Amino acid sequence: GAGVSQTPSNKVTEKGKYVELRCDPISGHTALYWYRQSLGQGPEFLIYFQGTGAADDSGLPNDRFFAVRPEGSVSTLKIQRTERGDSAVYLCASSLDTNTEAFFGQGTRLTVV
Amino acid sequence: GDSVTQMEGPVTLSEEAFLTINCTYTATGYPSLFWYVQYPGEGLQLLLKATKADDKGSNKGFEATYRKETTSFHLEKGSVQVSDSAVYFCALGHYNQAGTALIFGKGTTLSVSS
Repeated sequence: GAGVSQTPSNKVTEKGKYVELRCDPISGHTALYWYRQSLGQGPEFLIYFQGTGAADDSGLPNDRFFAVRPEGSVSTLKIQRTERGDSAVYLCASSLDTNTEAFFGQGTRLTVV
Repeated sequence: GDSVTQMEGPVTLSEEAFLTINCTYTATGYPSLFWYVQYPGEGLQLLLKATKADDKGSNKGFEATYRKETTSFHLEKGSVQVSDSAVYFCALGHYNQAGTALIFGKGTTLSVSS
């Protein structure tokens, strides 16, 4: 596609439920990043993929958060047992490689009620 | 650890006014510096960047100079327009390290009125 696509654009879920957020990177981009942006804050790094492998997951806040990229393209961020504090905009970005500009999607706004 | 501090907003200006948004950073090594912009209802877009000391990034009339001696990367524009109203984020990243995870400031909201 022309840009990074994230679905859904909005997600409302109940506390304790499981959610999946999807990211379609720009075709051919090998690097993929997930960030979380809370209200009034800048984006915070969660996890980075180079190809299919998670090269750096140091930003994941706890073991309820997990992400996969099984074929080196589409990535899914998975959140188990959601909490109200997980409410934020989840941003995905991709880049051709680790030394080039990252392009961001429009994000998924997650609201946990 | 690395960090970015930018001036708090909101910044409210009249059209054609001069804009400065301050950004300072703390980092090991020699990071690359970026300004990203988020227009209402849109995703983050790279506005400009500088990859080494004394480099000047520029785009759409905006400029920022990488000042190593003051660890700063202030964003400036000589004459703002209503269409510049957006949230601006200063960020740093280490291009020469695997996984260029960006570190962002909290963002500065700019509102320009006609």
